[in-house]
Amino acid sequence: GDSVTQMEGPVTLSEEAFLTINCTYTATGYPSLFWYVQYPGEGLQLLLKATKADDKGSNKGFEATYRKETTSFHLEKGSVQVSDSAVYFCALNSGYSTLTFGKGTMLLVSP
Amino acid sequence: NAGVTQTPKFRVLKTGQSMTLLCAQDMNHEYMYWYRQDPGMGLRLIHYSVGEGTTAKGEVPDGYNVSRLKKQNFLLGLESAAPSQTSVYFCAGGTSGLTGELFFGEGSRLTVL
Repeated sequence: GDSVTQMEGPVTLSEEAFLTINCTYTATGYPSLFWYVQYPGEGLQLLLKATKADDKGSNKGFEATYRKETTSFHLEKGSVQVSDSAVYFCALNSGYSTLTFGKGTMLLVSP
Repeated sequence: NAGVTQTPKFRVLKTGQSMTLLCAQDMNHEYMYWYRQDPGMGLRLIHYSVGEGTTAKGEVPDGYNVSRLKKQNFLLGLESAAPSQTSVYFCAGGTSGLTGELFFGEGSRLTVL
């Protein structure tokens, strides 16, 4: 079955540091890939997505590239801010009725 | 445009009591989902619906029931609450297809004593 593996957190960074959160997946066919973000006390919201191999999704300074050869979709940001502190979830959709989520990675950014 | 709205936001129950969580959406989503979120466990799918009048089991359905009598509402019921059901519950709506995105509610925090 489908699965998503994310690096365990928390990831602790200073403001303006470079961020990478690793995500790898196992899926049948050619899934769509997503990053969701959950700010404290809120529900998840879509951060970015990529629907085919080599696509790059980007939003709010974050980006991730769909790498079919390494089955990865790593999230990156060049300079994090305190306001980026949140939990980040990698997810995939193989065309079934449900998304498969990773367990989430907490990011803590200090001033 | 309210999006996906969950009620109640907070609830405390005693073991054995019953309750219903309501999810309402005004985005015309065909698909609706109930998840629970627990520390270290990520999001786990409880039940979902692919259209009015349909429901299906997810990863952790035991102890819960659902109904989708109207397209815009998806109800999650606990018939006899247990402390293991203490969690934060999220409802989501979405469209079908490979590029489908989910829209989440703000969550309902349930404590079972």
